[in-house]
Amino acid sequence: EVQLLESGGGLVQPGGSLRLSCAASGFTFSSYAMNWVRQAPGKGLEWVSSISGSGSSTHYADSVKGRFTISRDNSKNTLYLQMNSLRADDTAVYYCAKKYSTSWYCLDNWGLGTLVTVSS
Amino acid sequence: EIVLTQSPGTLSLSPGERATLSCRASQSVTSSYLAWYQQKPGQAPRLLIYGASSRATGIPDRFSGSGSGTDFTLTISRLEPEDFAVYYCQQYDYSRWAFGQGTKVEIK
Repeated sequence: EVQLLESGGGLVQPGGSLRLSCAASGFTFSSYAMNWVRQAPGKGLEWVSSISGSGSSTHYADSVKGRFTISRDNSKNTLYLQMNSLRADDTAVYYCAKKYSTSWYCLDNWGLGTLVTVSS
Repeated sequence: EIVLTQSPGTLSLSPGERATLSCRASQSVTSSYLAWYQQKPGQAPRLLIYGASSRATGIPDRFSGSGSGTDFTLTISRLEPEDFAVYYCQQYDYSRWAFGQGTKVEIK
């Protein structure tokens, strides 16, 4: 059974930093691209970032480019999101999600999410 | 950048009724890059449909997806009590992913 467990969320002041982790199990982690998707309180889903299975290719939404860095450690089956220069509008539940396959561009497994609150 | 617009924003229906949700793209979308998700309050999204029309594992056959190009539809043939939720369409284009703003299906 695929399991994704996010951690690292919390309250941070504007301009601060936070690193999210997503521990994966139940599948061959290094074979799958992974994504971060966030959801502000009461709002819809917003894609944040993606990374290839090897970690060699990364992509970001314009709203976080230059501030957030996605990475992965395949030896630890863990996905990361380093968030710097945080702003109030980064407040959201952050989900990690597994890409279904090489051919299909959808997210078939999601974690429960971790809440990031940016406030003074 | 392709923008997805979902309609209606809210759909008020009774159990047993048919639900038809629309997702319109600002430019043509490759069908294999179009998916639908269901999200209930306090829960993570769940994949329903991928490749515009293929049901994900364990999804009941009352859920169906159709469409191509810029117009896609999610149909729930007969609403069950557990189907009242928010539904999102999603597309992928040039290394970017995007979601529609969601359609809430509520009990009438």
